[in-house]
Amino acid sequence: DAGVTQSPTHLIKTRGQQVTLRCSPKSGHDTVSWYQQALGQGPQFIFQYYEEEERQRGNFPDRFSGHQYPNYSSELNVNALLLGDSALYLCASSFVETQYFGPGTRLLVL
Amino acid sequence: QKEVEQNSGPLSVPEGAIASLNCTYSDRVSQSFFWYRQYSGKSPELIMSIYSNGDKEDGRFTAQLNKASQYVSLLIRDSQPSDSATYLCAVRVNRDDKIIFGKGTRLHILP
Repeated sequence: DAGVTQSPTHLIKTRGQQVTLRCSPKSGHDTVSWYQQALGQGPQFIFQYYEEEERQRGNFPDRFSGHQYPNYSSELNVNALLLGDSALYLCASSFVETQYFGPGTRLLVL
Repeated sequence: QKEVEQNSGPLSVPEGAIASLNCTYSDRVSQSFFWYRQYSGKSPELIMSIYSNGDKEDGRFTAQLNKASQYVSLLIRDSQPSDSATYLCAVRVNRDDKIIFGKGTRLHILP
């Protein structure tokens, strides 16, 4: 049984560009949450998708948007990238209670 | 603003000893509590979840919850060098709410 998968693993972008990160949840999981983890910090909640709708959102600007597909996979889009967006982006999937994390996508903005 | 507080460490513990990691949270009505382990450059891995006051044991790990004191801890018995990692405490108010993470405690097991 495959766990949570994310792509790409690493990404380098320049300021002002746009990026799309992808996540496939663990089999049987219907909820996907996205987190941003800066170096030395805990994961910060961006938003959560359930039944193709954004159910919860953290304190992130509208530059961060997402989508969930009928097969429960999800995308995180970030527009107008800033240097401060450089971080590890984590996707976590869940069914009911416990969240399991994917390997993450490391984004570097130059 | 809901908060989860952890001592950033590093916490250094001799191999074979008990490592004790602590966490406090601000929202009194929180219902779900999690401990994740994160190795450098890797994603968080779930170790324990606990929902009721008291102790919950799983192998060398014991989670302790005291809702009255808004305190949750993780004990690691017979610490091994492979336990060296950052340990993240996470809290959720209810099942449909977001999970809030602390900044993590760096644990270093001394061989």
